[in-house]
Amino acid sequence: DQQVKQNSPSLSVQEGRISILNCDYTNSMFDYFLWYKKYPAEGPTFLISISSIKDKNEDGRFTVFLNKSAKHLSLHIVPSQPGDSAVYFCAAQDNNDMRFGAGTRLTVKP
Amino acid sequence: DAGITQSPRHKVTETGTPVTLRCHQTENHRYMYWYRQDPGHGLRLIHYSYGVKDTDKGEVSDGYSVSRSKTEDFLLTLESATSSQTSVYFCAISIGLAEAYEQYFGPGTRLTVT
Repeated sequence: DQQVKQNSPSLSVQEGRISILNCDYTNSMFDYFLWYKKYPAEGPTFLISISSIKDKNEDGRFTVFLNKSAKHLSLHIVPSQPGDSAVYFCAAQDNNDMRFGAGTRLTVKP
Repeated sequence: DAGITQSPRHKVTETGTPVTLRCHQTENHRYMYWYRQDPGHGLRLIHYSYGVKDTDKGEVSDGYSVSRSKTEDFLLTLESATSSQTSVYFCAISIGLAEAYEQYFGPGTRLTVT
């Protein structure tokens, strides 16, 4: 069973606009949520995270929002840049059990 | 750069043969992980280690074994490879800071079982 779901396989946005990537989860025991970015032929790289006791975490152009009641998190990228084009994975962790979504491919057009 | 290397980077093998993938880290972190990445599934945890000779199963451990005889090396073995184990395998480490669960990944090994 997929405990973490990214329902949009792909997203295309114009350079300079906002990118919003969404993620839903089912396990209320998850206590930490993360976003990873992956370029082809490379390993995923950590982008930003949020603890379950918070509802927002910001790091430069990247902001993660957590809505625990809806079991939903989102990643906002503002402004989007062509170099942001990659596959984005959301992940949720309960102790050493890290579950990933299937990924969303973001394309930022110049 | 978390100092993680994986070898080999690419491998083609035949069904039924044993395969061992190696993950090496340079910074003596305690936690190490093996994942596989498949289309439509994201990354799924195979096994992880929390110290020398201390390992535990992950979400998709059937058909895989691991060993960790030194802090810096974590080996993943497919005793008898099957076509369903064709995948990209990633090793990861956890820095293990307080309230931080970030994992840092190696470059991956693409395994094809024919």
